[in-house]
Amino acid sequence: AQSVTQPDIHITVSEGASLELRCNYSYGATPYLFWYVQSPGQGLQLLLKYFSGDTLVQGIKGFEAEFKRSQSSFNLRKPSVHWSDAAEYFCAVCSSNTGKLIFGQGTTLQVKP
Amino acid sequence: NAGVTQTPKFRILKIGQSMTLQCTQDMNHNYMYWYRQDPGMGLKLIYYSVGAGITDKGEVPNGYNVSRSTTEDFPLRLELAAPSQTSVYFCASSRPVKENEKLFFGSGTQLSVL
Repeated sequence: AQSVTQPDIHITVSEGASLELRCNYSYGATPYLFWYVQSPGQGLQLLLKYFSGDTLVQGIKGFEAEFKRSQSSFNLRKPSVHWSDAAEYFCAVCSSNTGKLIFGQGTTLQVKP
Repeated sequence: NAGVTQTPKFRILKIGQSMTLQCTQDMNHNYMYWYRQDPGMGLKLIYYSVGAGITDKGEVPNGYNVSRSTTEDFPLRLELAAPSQTSVYFCASSRPVKENEKLFFGSGTQLSVL
């Protein structure tokens, strides 16, 4: 069955520190993978996506993610976090066969000054 | 270009009442989705559709129904509303995922069942 797990519900990092948000998925074939960000009271904004090809994908706002098939993971990274990155981050997986798109439960990022 | 339009934005229902959340998009997107978002639970897929006349259950379909008679519209029906259906509901649309890269979301409907 198709599923997405974000193991970390809440993460706090200091401004300027590096960040990694974890995402694990379950899907029989090669999935389409996404990371979205949601600021308080706002809608979801797409950060980056993976369909095929290069397993390291670059996104907006300095984010990147790496698809690791052997680990069924698609972790989001940023070398240096800014205070404005504080938000909720969602990983999502889409079935390439059915178009079914499901989200993880989200990770709330807090940035300390 | 209006994008994805959801109505109403807010609604309070009594237990047992029914209502329809409307969703329409003007981008000629084949794929449409309904999600609910509860605090700390992320977005849960209720139903989705890959084209007019085609719908399928998502993760949490119980207590809801949908129809897709046209490409533009994808209404979500709540029958016999229950307090557990208190949530924020989002409609979304996209072209087939392999052709496009993101969902377009509506602004959401905040529903309270009391």
